[in-house]
Amino acid sequence: SQQGEEDPQALSIQEGENATMNCSYKTSINNLQWYRQNSGRGLVHLILIRSNEREKHSGRLRVTLDTSKKSSSLLITASRAADTASYFCATAPGANNLFFGTGTRLTVIP
Amino acid sequence: EADIYQTPRYLVIGTGKKITLECSQTMGHDKMYWYQQDPGMELHLIHYSYGVNSTEKGDLSSESTVSRIRTEHFPLTLESARPSHTSQYLCASSENGQALNQPQHFGDGTRLSIL
Repeated sequence: SQQGEEDPQALSIQEGENATMNCSYKTSINNLQWYRQNSGRGLVHLILIRSNEREKHSGRLRVTLDTSKKSSSLLITASRAADTASYFCATAPGANNLFFGTGTRLTVIP
Repeated sequence: EADIYQTPRYLVIGTGKKITLECSQTMGHDKMYWYQQDPGMELHLIHYSYGVNSTEKGDLSSESTVSRIRTEHFPLTLESARPSHTSQYLCASSENGQALNQPQHFGDGTRLSIL
């Protein structure tokens, strides 16, 4: 990937467990965003964290950003079957466009 | 969900045909984007626009072209489709304003298959 790479590529957990996905990127950024993509659908924006922020919460989502390590993590707590999707990080190294990673495919087993 | 619409959702067509993929948004966004995504892979930006009469090529070279005659409409055209164009095409838009890299709102995509 030109900019972001997610890890792991695939993750399977039981309903109720927490899911953690990681994103590493290569250059300095203005912000980093996480998106969800359900099978056969477009992407849905989840959360944006700016380069001067270290942690951000939104409902059951918690995102951290470590600019010194050029990495971010997305934590989904108390997962549900409906959380089954692919999750992408997107970085904004410049003023214009986003670069998307390869995604983590999350499966939550009921 | 965002008000951005893509048609058709699925298209299977023969080689050599001219194709236009439609994308419309009702949010008044100036910025619009086209991405190409193969199954299980990352998104690649192929075109974007900052507003009416503005079109730019993205990071992935594409034989497609785009136009932006109206704010709400950003169609993508392939003059002569080839099997290598088989992919999913996603359209997106983002809000105006001074803030950099605003969140993008996506349509559900067009899955294109060229025989």
